[in-house]
Amino acid sequence: SQKIEQNSEALNIQEGKTATLTCNYTNYSPAYLQWYRQDPGRGPVFLLLIRENEKEKRKERLKVTFDTTLKQSLFHITASQPADSATYLCALGRDDKIIFGKGTRLHILP
Amino acid sequence: DTEVTQTPKHLVMGMTNKKSLKCEQHMGHRAMYWYKQKAKKPPELMFVYSYEKLSINESVPSRFSPECPNSSLLNLHLHALQPEDSALYLCASSQEAASLSYEQYFGPGTRLTVT
Repeated sequence: SQKIEQNSEALNIQEGKTATLTCNYTNYSPAYLQWYRQDPGRGPVFLLLIRENEKEKRKERLKVTFDTTLKQSLFHITASQPADSATYLCALGRDDKIIFGKGTRLHILP
Repeated sequence: DTEVTQTPKHLVMGMTNKKSLKCEQHMGHRAMYWYKQKAKKPPELMFVYSYEKLSINESVPSRFSPECPNSSLLNLHLHALQPEDSALYLCASSQEAASLSYEQYFGPGTRLTVT
């Protein structure tokens, strides 16, 4: 069955450094991959979308890569700030299937 | 207006009650979704409506009954729920329903507790 793994459950990063979050998947070939931010008790907020034929996308301090050979996406936040602290979810989709990863709780330490 | 609204914010219901969750969007989106999210777990897709027709039902028990009265509204009717159905129920919408080729806009969710 399809499986998504997002690196660690929690990640602590010093303010100003680059945070890198990992999303690995198995038994699946997604056509699209999205990253969302979720704060406690709230709905996810869309951040970035990348398609299977794209290698990299950027938006302000955010960058996502998509390697269909490694079956992996990396999500980077550069110049991280305490306000970036949240849970980050990756989501994969093809045809009628949408699957979310468990998420990584990111803590940016001042 | 890029907002998806959900009511109520919180709901406590007994196992014999019937209640409904409501979701509304005014972005002209033609796809609307219901997800269930338990604590420290990812959102799980329940239903997808595309152009007001049910296009995906992810083997959800019949005690959950979705309804899409028009292109802006989505309801989830609840009946005879179990305590394990307690969760955050999220509504989302997107321009079209095409498995994540469009960004999804999520509502704040309804926190449901079944006693």
